[in-house]
Amino acid sequence: ILNVEQSPQSLHVQEGDSTNFTCSFPSSNFYALHWYRWETAKSPEALFVMTLNGDEKKKGRISATLNTKEGYSYLYIKGSQPEDSATYLCASPGNTPLVFGKGTRLSVIA
Amino acid sequence: DAGVTQSPTHLIKTRGQQVTLRCSPKSGHDTVSWYQQALGQGPQFIFQYYEEEERQRGNFPDRFSGHQFPNYSSELNVNALLLGDSALYLCASSLEIGGQGRGYTFGSGTRLTVV
Repeated sequence: ILNVEQSPQSLHVQEGDSTNFTCSFPSSNFYALHWYRWETAKSPEALFVMTLNGDEKKKGRISATLNTKEGYSYLYIKGSQPEDSATYLCASPGNTPLVFGKGTRLSVIA
Repeated sequence: DAGVTQSPTHLIKTRGQQVTLRCSPKSGHDTVSWYQQALGQGPQFIFQYYEEEERQRGNFPDRFSGHQFPNYSSELNVNALLLGDSALYLCASSLEIGGQGRGYTFGSGTRLTVV
């Protein structure tokens, strides 16, 4: 059974700080790695879908890298803003369409 | 551009009752997946529907059932509700072809409370 792990569970940073968190997944039979951003009372929103080892994707101040050989992905946020406060979920297809980690809850303090 | 619509947004039911949750997928999507998110957990896969059939199922009892209609909308039914069924239920739509290589589109969920 595919196990997707995220760390840390929660994070508090000051506005302007840069931060990063980790998603780990089994490297065997890898297909894709999804990152979602989930603000309270809203829908999870797809940030990135990554498929190739060494992939690096960027959207504004948020970027992600992928290492399929060792089974991890990093999400980076540069110059955190209060509007970045959300839960960041990663997920990977396994024996079910998407297996999610428990998420990293980011709080950015103004 | 209408995304995924779920109804109702909140629901309170009594143990033993039955509940039906509804989902309209994003325009152009043909596959609907349902997830349960309990407090402190990541979303757990319940089942996925494509072409009006359940194509894959997670580790949930038969009390959880679903349906997909010709217009791709979907329902999730839960019978004989237990207190442990209290959770946020998320619906996600995608394209069957290559869906896992693209992001899913999620609704904002139905919060079910069983008392």
